[in-house]
Amino acid sequence: DVKVTQSSRYLVKRTGEKVFLECVQDMDHENMFWYRQDPGLGLRLIYFSYDVKMKEKGDIPEGYSVSREKKERFSLILESASTNQTSMYLCASSSPRRGTSGSYEQYFGPGTRLTVT
Amino acid sequence: EDKVVQSPLSLVVHEGDTVTLNCSYEVTNFRSLLWYKQEKKAPTFLFMLTSSGIEKKSGRLSSILDKKELFSILNITATQTGDSAVYLCAVVMNYGGSQGNLIFGKGTKLSVKP
Repeated sequence: DVKVTQSSRYLVKRTGEKVFLECVQDMDHENMFWYRQDPGLGLRLIYFSYDVKMKEKGDIPEGYSVSREKKERFSLILESASTNQTSMYLCASSSPRRGTSGSYEQYFGPGTRLTVT
Repeated sequence: EDKVVQSPLSLVVHEGDTVTLNCSYEVTNFRSLLWYKQEKKAPTFLFMLTSSGIEKKSGRLSSILDKKELFSILNITATQTGDSAVYLCAVVMNYGGSQGNLIFGKGTKLSVKP
């Protein structure tokens, strides 16, 4: 079974703090994603990565950055947390490599509920 | 603009009822459509649909895709309280830098009462 893990289930941070959310997958997937999920807005893509050291902006990248130094690990960074970044953050991974055939179904981690006060 | 629209947004039924959840999409480069079930935590994968008219089944759940009319339905028969969840529909993109990315609908929240 594919396993995607996230470093924290619940996190409370203060405005202005730097926040790191870590995601690790154990299935050698090329593609990794960070979403946030808010009531009434659904899942929105923040950043994605299709290879080590590669990253691409999703639909709402403002206020976030990412890092992918190793294939299995994809980190989301909030440089200076703000209250409007209070949300559920979901990490996902998928295979195959882009440009090849395959289903691209994404497997999700358990989520991190972040509260910024 | 690419979009995925699910309806209804919420639904309350009683155990034993049959429900149909709808997902329509407008996407320029469609690859496949996915259904997920989300309870209290992460979405879990249900079905992937790529071809029109081929029904996918898993127990009491089934789904079908119509690529001409650009929609999919998810049916749940003989509902149980354990079916209560948010059901998410997502379309997989098939071009350029977005290849393999998903566009999600906002979900249908299903509540099954005993």
